[in-house]
Amino acid sequence: KAGVTQTPRYLIKTRGQQVTLSCSPISGHRSVSWYQQTPGQGLQFLFEYFSETQRNKGNFPGRFSGRQFSNSRSEMNVSTLELGDSALYLCASSEAAENEKLFFGSGTQLSVL
Amino acid sequence: GESVGLHLPTLSVQEGDNSIINCAYSNSASDYFIWYKQESGKGPQFIIDIRSNMDKRQGQRVTVLLNKTVKHLSLQIAATQPGDSAVYFCAEKGSWGKLQFGAGTQVVVTP
Repeated sequence: KAGVTQTPRYLIKTRGQQVTLSCSPISGHRSVSWYQQTPGQGLQFLFEYFSETQRNKGNFPGRFSGRQFSNSRSEMNVSTLELGDSALYLCASSEAAENEKLFFGSGTQLSVL
Repeated sequence: GESVGLHLPTLSVQEGDNSIINCAYSNSASDYFIWYKQESGKGPQFIIDIRSNMDKRQGQRVTVLLNKTVKHLSLQIAATQPGDSAVYFCAEKGSWGKLQFGAGTQVVVTP
């Protein structure tokens, strides 16, 4: 099976812009979670989707949003980008909704200038 | 061991020796724990997991130990190889229903 695929791999944006990141889970996986990884804060949970419904949300401002499509593919959007949003954004999928044994993609490295 | 914050602990291990990576978790109600390995430029890769009803679980060259009394988790890697150089994360799943990750430990394997 193909692993979790995230696109694009790298992004450079300027403050105030918005960005959309894409994630294709492992075939058959219905749960998708998003994490933000920075050197200072480590891996921080953003949100989790299962069957197109957001099940859990982390402590991030409303500028961070996401959605999941009927084919389990997911997108996350960040509006009004700030310098502090520069990070590696990781998507992970799992078979069931228990949010265990996550399989991660390689991430999208976002740089905000 | 792991700690939350800016500092990433580093474990230096000689090739062929056994490695022990420690992790203190926060929630006594957490019922599932997992270890990941992250190499530079890649996403975290699953190593091994364990439920709270177990004390020990073994995989290929790895063993996870869980001490619920002191809320401590450890990952043992036997016969450490250069390819084991990476950042290792533990994560716990508590009542909030999502995995919460530690800050990670950098493992450096020296020849």
